[in-house]
Amino acid sequence: GNSVTQMEGPVTLSEEAFLTINCTYTATGYPSLFWYVQYPGEGLQLLLKATKADDKGSNKGFEATYRKETTSFHLEKGSVQVSDSAVYFCAFVVGNAGNMLTFGGGTRLMVKP
Amino acid sequence: GAVVSQHPSRVICKSGTSVKIECRSLDFQATTMFWYRQVPKQSLMLMATSNEGSKATYEQGVEKDKFLINHASLTLSTLTVTSAHPEDSSFYICSARPPSGGKGQTQYFGPGTRLLVL
Repeated sequence: GNSVTQMEGPVTLSEEAFLTINCTYTATGYPSLFWYVQYPGEGLQLLLKATKADDKGSNKGFEATYRKETTSFHLEKGSVQVSDSAVYFCAFVVGNAGNMLTFGGGTRLMVKP
Repeated sequence: GAVVSQHPSRVICKSGTSVKIECRSLDFQATTMFWYRQVPKQSLMLMATSNEGSKATYEQGVEKDKFLINHASLTLSTLTVTSAHPEDSSFYICSARPPSGGKGQTQYFGPGTRLLVL
């Protein structure tokens, strides 16, 4: 079946450190891949997405590359800030519009000054 | 961008009562809306898919008689938690997708509703 595996948190980093949050997926079909972010007390926001192999999604300094050969979509940022502290969800959707998102368990990131 | 609202943002109720949560797409029409529940360890679990003008499709393990979903219009879906119990306390999030379709179409999420059942 469909599933997403994310590294368990919390991930604690100092400001300006390099961030990697691993995400691998198992999908029946050709998925589109997403990273969502949930800031404290808020709902989900789309952070970035990629719809085909080798695509790179990027936003707010975050990047993730669609790796079909390794079924991965790891999230990276070169220099994190305190304001990046949030929960990050990897997710995918397969097929046409109308299919629901399959989410990973979420990874909490805490950035200390 | 597309905006989805939820109301209320937070609700506290007594055990045994019913609570209705509204999800609205403010600037687009959504033939399909989704209801998620945030469970321990922060993961999101899909509860049901709400289709305008037809019955909702529930995921396995979700009691359709307990979690009533109505999608009465192209901009409104409601989730009613009937006879709520403390174990129903959670964060409920809805999402909606604009009808333009296509692979990789973005879903837009509401801000969520925090339900606490005493």
